[in-house]
Amino acid sequence: SQTIHQWPATLVQPVGSPLSLECTVEGTSNPNLYWYRQAAGRGLQLLFYSVGIGQISSEVPQNLSASRPQDRQFILSSKKLLLSDSGFYLCAWSGSPIHQPQHFGDGTRLSIL
Amino acid sequence: GENVEQHPSTLSVQEGDSAVIKCTYSDSASNYFPWYKQELGKGPQLIIDIRSNVGEKKDQRIAVTLNKTAKHFSLHITETQPEDSAVYFCAAMAWGKLQFGAGTQVVVTP
Repeated sequence: SQTIHQWPATLVQPVGSPLSLECTVEGTSNPNLYWYRQAAGRGLQLLFYSVGIGQISSEVPQNLSASRPQDRQFILSSKKLLLSDSGFYLCAWSGSPIHQPQHFGDGTRLSIL
Repeated sequence: GENVEQHPSTLSVQEGDSAVIKCTYSDSASNYFPWYKQELGKGPQLIIDIRSNVGEKKDQRIAVTLNKTAKHFSLHITETQPEDSAVYFCAAMAWGKLQFGAGTQVVVTP
């Protein structure tokens, strides 16, 4: 069966520091991968998605970037964090073709001080 | 782009009663509608989904209905139990992108 892993589970970072969040998927090949951010008490906002290695689509202009160095690895990064980057970051995967269900990891709680 | 509205934002029900959450969407191209349950500190878990060629789908105590003409879909939970307490999200997919509602906090009291 397929599983998705995100780490770390929680992270506290100072303003201006870099960020790297990692997500990996097991048990499937060539998944579609997604990064979402969830603000407190609100829905999920799609940040990036990827349909293959090196292919990244950005949904919202911001301080963050994403990369997909391997088929089942998706990384969310920032060079200099802002206070507004605080939130709950979720990685998800889906099979192909599109319109397949998206399955989420357990997220990373990011706090910026 | 797609816009999904979800109501109510909070819902308190007595154990054993039914709970209904309603969502509306704006883009007539939307053709896939999943529902997720999110427990505290966890990622959303898919609980049921429906495609636009189906009007209703049921899985044990959970059912979803879709009215494409009116552009709304609903989640029905029957015989609620304390473990049903969570935040529930609806979503609509158009042009390959999922747009989520803001969520409904469901509290089931014994």
